[in-house]
Amino acid sequence: DTAVSQTPKYLVTQMGNDKSIKCEQNLGHDTMYWYKQDSKKFLKIMFSYNNKELIINETVPNRFSPKSPDKAHLNLHINSLELGDSAVYFCASSHRNEKLFFGSGTQLSVL
Amino acid sequence: EDKVVQSPLSLVVHEGDTVTLNCSYEVTNFRSLLWYKQEKKAPTFLFMLTSSGIEKKSGRLSSILDKKELFSILNITATQTGDSAVYLCAGLNAGKSTFGDGTTLTVKP
Repeated sequence: DTAVSQTPKYLVTQMGNDKSIKCEQNLGHDTMYWYKQDSKKFLKIMFSYNNKELIINETVPNRFSPKSPDKAHLNLHINSLELGDSAVYFCASSHRNEKLFFGSGTQLSVL
Repeated sequence: EDKVVQSPLSLVVHEGDTVTLNCSYEVTNFRSLLWYKQEKKAPTFLFMLTSSGIEKKSGRLSSILDKKELFSILNITATQTGDSAVYLCAGLNAGKSTFGDGTTLTVKP
């Protein structure tokens, strides 16, 4: 009964490939997010969705495309992967944009 | 642009020591300051502070917010090896949480 679950946990792929990360929350929260954490542990917001509507779209390359089929799911698709995309990607959810509940992260390695 | 700065970036102490972690923020339309603990995987929530001067406590951890000086501190007393982690603070406004770089705390036996 994991609150925020994302898959896969690890993703190793070649440059130029396209990959997706899936996220689901069973907390009944209205807002979901994607964060990127670099090797120095800095967490930066990429996107947020509120009830399936895109609210925040930070300066992220348009190779990254989020999709929210319903308010419990937020997926991230990445086209034409680059070396610099290697990082840990965290999905998170919150109620009314308060404290965040994070998924366990997806470690993406682009070779 | 919103900014959150934490200090120190890393800290090594021995079990039983008391530590103070600092967080300063410049966040437009600031609502709250949150602290998270990150061990091996995902950050987990510790405290949310909205009002100045009111200390929040959970066991050996406590935190307080100063909205006039735009900073917060997280205190950990009688540290244990299990307190070793990255501690993140985040400034929250209506739209999002902006995180600091984190403080890596290492507690040696």
